Amino acid sequence: AQSVAQPEDQVNVAEGNPLTVKCTYSVSGNPYLFWYVQYPNRGLQFLLKYITGDNLVKGSYGFEAEFNKSQTSFHLKKPSALVSDSALYFCAVRGGNAGNMLTFGGGTRLMVKP
Amino acid sequence: DTGVSQDPRHKITKRGQNVTFRCDPISEHNRLYWYRQTLGQGPEFLTYFQNEAQLEKSRLLSDRFSAERPKGSFSTLEIQRTEQGDSAMYLCASSLAQLHAVAGGPETQYFGPGTRLLVL
Repeated sequence: AQSVAQPEDQVNVAEGNPLTVKCTYSVSGNPYLFWYVQYPNRGLQFLLKYITGDNLVKGSYGFEAEFNKSQTSFHLKKPSALVSDSALYFCAVRGGNAGNMLTFGGGTRLMVKP
Repeated sequence: DTGVSQDPRHKITKRGQNVTFRCDPISEHNRLYWYRQTLGQGPEFLTYFQNEAQLEKSRLLSDRFSAERPKGSFSTLEIQRTEQGDSAMYLCASSLAQLHAVAGGPETQYFGPGTRLLVL
């Protein structure tokens, strides 16, 4: 079975500071990893994904994520946070042997304060 | 608007009633997914279609739940004899699977705004 852990329910960061939202995973086979963001009363919006190749993946709105196979992690990062980045962030995994379903973590609420 | 759309956005019903939700995927997307999201949790996979064929179903999808995609375009999710535990956000996603692509790896799933169900 595949699983995702987001160890922090909430991350607080000051505007302009770098941010990191943590994600670790467990899958059989090659992992395919995704980050989505959810704003209040809205669906999930795709940010970025890792399939293969370069361990640093760049996505929308200045976000990037680093794949670390040895630590089974896929942390989301941004060099300089904006107040508008405040939202709920979900990490998801699709394992190579697990069909097409995405398995999501529990989410991390990011609060960026001015 | 060329994104995934869902209708209704909100539904309040009494326990024991049947409800039906509709999802319209992004045009030409051949895969369609249903997920359920309860408060404070991440989405959980329910089922998915490739064209009109339902290919995977989660154990979460009890006998009271049924999904269809009759013409390979829009999909409906019906819940019969609703229970209070069915209260959740029901999310639909679609993707374009390039079955003969040279490069491997899964396509991106794009989500709709969801239907929030409250069972009283």
